[in-house]
Amino acid sequence: DADVTQTPRNRITKTGKRIMLECSQTKGHDRMYWYRQDPGLGLRLIYYSFDVKDINKGEISDGYSVSRQAQAKFSLSLESAIPNQTALYFCATSDQQKQGATNGYTFGSGTRLTVV
Amino acid sequence: DQQVKQNSPSLSVQEGRISILNCDYTNSMFDYFLWYKKYPAEGPTFLISISSIKDKNEDGRFTVFLNKSAKHLSLHIVPSQPGDSAVYFCAAPKGKLIFGQGTTLQVKP
Repeated sequence: DADVTQTPRNRITKTGKRIMLECSQTKGHDRMYWYRQDPGLGLRLIYYSFDVKDINKGEISDGYSVSRQAQAKFSLSLESAIPNQTALYFCATSDQQKQGATNGYTFGSGTRLTVV
Repeated sequence: DQQVKQNSPSLSVQEGRISILNCDYTNSMFDYFLWYKKYPAEGPTFLISISSIKDKNEDGRFTVFLNKSAKHLSLHIVPSQPGDSAVYFCAAPKGKLIFGQGTTLQVKP
């Protein structure tokens, strides 16, 4: 089983619909992140959480919300999806104790979201 | 404010030759830099890193060079192989990782 699991892998939704992307991890990491990838823009941070009671906005949080239900679960919601939210979404985890130049980020395989 | 920049969206090289991927940054306070590799339908995976106190780090076919005065780092792949074809991201930490735009490398047989 993957260390970081994202569901669904692919999703097509209509404009205005609410959609939730889920992420769960078995790494035991305390930190979790949501990134979005767009061609030519790289990976941009949407939200991050350093522990269960901690939620922080990233550089592109507008139109998104998150919930850290447990240390292992971090979900991303689009309350009212719009076409420019069509992108590849990645969840990642890291361990505060192990983060550094030797790296501690583990990424999920991504969710491809299309808003029509 | 793009603190980590990759200005070349794509690079194509012949198998066996050198691939050089570039990255520029604006923040002199970054403690280290990382390179990630991403294949289609997969998440990014860590490739190699370099501490800001070093100017070179080598791991097999992969070498990263850091030029602090120019605020520039580069990833060298020698020799390039078709399996190296992927998107490469440079990244730096600011509490959380900040990524560049990515460079798509194509290695032709």
